[in-house]
Amino acid sequence: GAVVSQHPSRVICKSGTSVKIECRSLDFQATTMFWYRQFPKQSLMLMATSNEGSKATYEQGVEKDKFLINHASLTLSTLTVTSAHPEDSSFYICSARDRLGAAASEAFFGQGTRLTVV
Amino acid sequence: AQSVAQPEDQVKVAEGNPLTVKCTYSVSGNPYLFWYVQYPNRGLQFLLKYITGDNLVKGSYGFEAEFNKSQTSFHLKKPSALVSDSALYFCAVRDEGATNKLIFGTGTLLAVQP
Repeated sequence: GAVVSQHPSRVICKSGTSVKIECRSLDFQATTMFWYRQFPKQSLMLMATSNEGSKATYEQGVEKDKFLINHASLTLSTLTVTSAHPEDSSFYICSARDRLGAAASEAFFGQGTRLTVV
Repeated sequence: AQSVAQPEDQVKVAEGNPLTVKCTYSVSGNPYLFWYVQYPNRGLQFLLKYITGDNLVKGSYGFEAEFNKSQTSFHLKKPSALVSDSALYFCAVRDEGATNKLIFGTGTLLAVQP
């Protein structure tokens, strides 16, 4: 199947600093990528939909200025957690679908990023 | 609005026994349904999907799922569980809106005991 690469897999940062997470589709192009957050033993919460060449669409309750999303190309989306605080510590996962895939094609997921803010 | 429900937080089965992980859905039109598996500290891996056609869908690692329209269910099954099947399983439905985002259930933790 298609591969989505997410980097880094694990990051520890100090409170107040910013962290950038990259999501790349390696063998397909994606006009849309999705960013999720997952708390321990809980389901995935969709944070935002990243759209290539345009602004991201954020879910209700997600701070746009806190979680900056950039989708500069058909194979790369980035999520930047700005001024991180301990409550931002979580597991972040991206996913993407092949833009040439059928409407029913499945989404592929990155490996996830474990963010710990100390 | 579309939704999926996974009524069991955890399922325990003995190795070699059949397993079932339950999922029910609610959609206004024809559902696109998916099952994903997540191992600890990893992303989600696609197992199988139902779009149309045969109600019994076969997927990766010997898993299958049965689409039941009358019961609005899409239960995941495997005839003989392995210890390595122990993981977190998510059922999802494709949102009918423009973004086609996935709407996930709350997940079911499968524990296969030796």
